[in-house]
Amino acid sequence: AQTVTQSQPEMSVQEAETVTLSCTYDTSENNYYLFWYKQPPSRQMILVIRQEAYKQQNATENRFSVNFQKAAKSFSLKISDSQLGDTAMYFCAFTDTDKLIFGTGTRLQVFP
Amino acid sequence: GAVVSQHPSRVICKSGTSVKIECRSLDFQATTMFWYRQFPKQSLMLMATSNEGSKATYEQGVEKDKFLINHASLTLSTLTVTSAHPEDSSFYICSARDRSVGSYNSPLHFGNGTRLTVT
Repeated sequence: AQTVTQSQPEMSVQEAETVTLSCTYDTSENNYYLFWYKQPPSRQMILVIRQEAYKQQNATENRFSVNFQKAAKSFSLKISDSQLGDTAMYFCAFTDTDKLIFGTGTRLQVFP
Repeated sequence: GAVVSQHPSRVICKSGTSVKIECRSLDFQATTMFWYRQFPKQSLMLMATSNEGSKATYEQGVEKDKFLINHASLTLSTLTVTSAHPEDSSFYICSARDRSVGSYNSPLHFGNGTRLTVT
């Protein structure tokens, strides 16, 4: 069964600095997709970024970028120029079928 | 953008009663919807996959007779917690995939969740 692991329960960063959230996963499949979702205190799930496993190029979305290492099954999220509004739970997620499997989450606190 | 409406946002019920939670895709059709449960400070655990016009597929350990799922149309799925107990208190979140986008790599659209408290 596929598993998603986030080894950092909590992280903190100062405003305007850069922070990297870690994620590893386990699968025997070759084609799959990876996502990072953000869950602010409102509990709404917000898609941050998406990566297709067959693409070698790392996905970027404005201040958010990923470091996708397929051989190592690693998918980290880098947040540049952190903002107070980035404070939230961040979930790494995996899918190779209809189902989306979430990691345990990392609580990120951005300090002024 | 695609909107998923989940109702109610909060509900308090007495032990032994049943509670229905609705999940509607407002501006797209969803062949498949998913129901997740989230305990405080924990991740989203997939409970079941709801398929329009057919029976839901439940994850291992989820009691299908307790968590009844109905997906009667392409825009509505309901989760009914039957004979609720205090341990059923949790945050329930639905999500849906726009069927016009198609494949499983397309992002899910999430409802705002329902906080269920069973007293």
